Amino acid sequence: GENVEQHPSTLSVQEGDSAVIKCTYSDSASNYFPWYKQELGKRPQLIIDIRSNVGEKKDQRIAVTLNKTAKHFSLHITETQPEDSAVYFCAAGQGAQKLVFGQGTRLTINP
Amino acid sequence: DVKVTQSSRYLVKRTGEKVFLECVQDMDHENMFWYRQDPGLGLRLIYFSYDVKMKEKGDIPEGYSVSREKKERFSLILESASTNQTSMYLCASRDRENRVYEQYFGPGTRLTVT
Repeated sequence: GENVEQHPSTLSVQEGDSAVIKCTYSDSASNYFPWYKQELGKRPQLIIDIRSNVGEKKDQRIAVTLNKTAKHFSLHITETQPEDSAVYFCAAGQGAQKLVFGQGTRLTINP
Repeated sequence: DVKVTQSSRYLVKRTGEKVFLECVQDMDHENMFWYRQDPGLGLRLIYFSYDVKMKEKGDIPEGYSVSREKKERFSLILESASTNQTSMYLCASRDRENRVYEQYFGPGTRLTVT
């Protein structure tokens, strides 16, 4: 079955700097890669996703890149702000099938 | 706006008790999921359901069962609660149609088994 590894487990960056979180997956059949953000005490919410027919997707300060050959994908947050502080989860799956989540990255933005 | 609710935010039960966690969604979603969240382990899938009366084991189904008698409700059952089932439990739902893959999560139930 699918296995997703996420790194780093914690990340601390200065406000305004960029943050990068990386994930690898094992099942080459996976074709859907979402990223969820979970603020303290709140539910996870989808912030961006990418499907295997594209290599990069952007939404304002957030971007996701996918390398199918190497089986890894990354979340990039530019110009970080205090409200970006949260736990971020990557996941991988096949379309409408179940998702396998990574272990999570706790991102802290230092003012 | 999708709304997923869970019956309790916090629950304390004793070892050996039978525990019911309820999840309700109001968007007529076919797919529903139960996860547990533990620090350093991410979200792990316990069970999921593609439709009413259907269920599939996830990655960690041992010690759990589920029930989906109505489309909007998905229940997680701990037949005999144990201390290693102390965790945060998250329910999610997803629209199977229109190739929309986003899962919408409930607020979670923090279960403590003593």
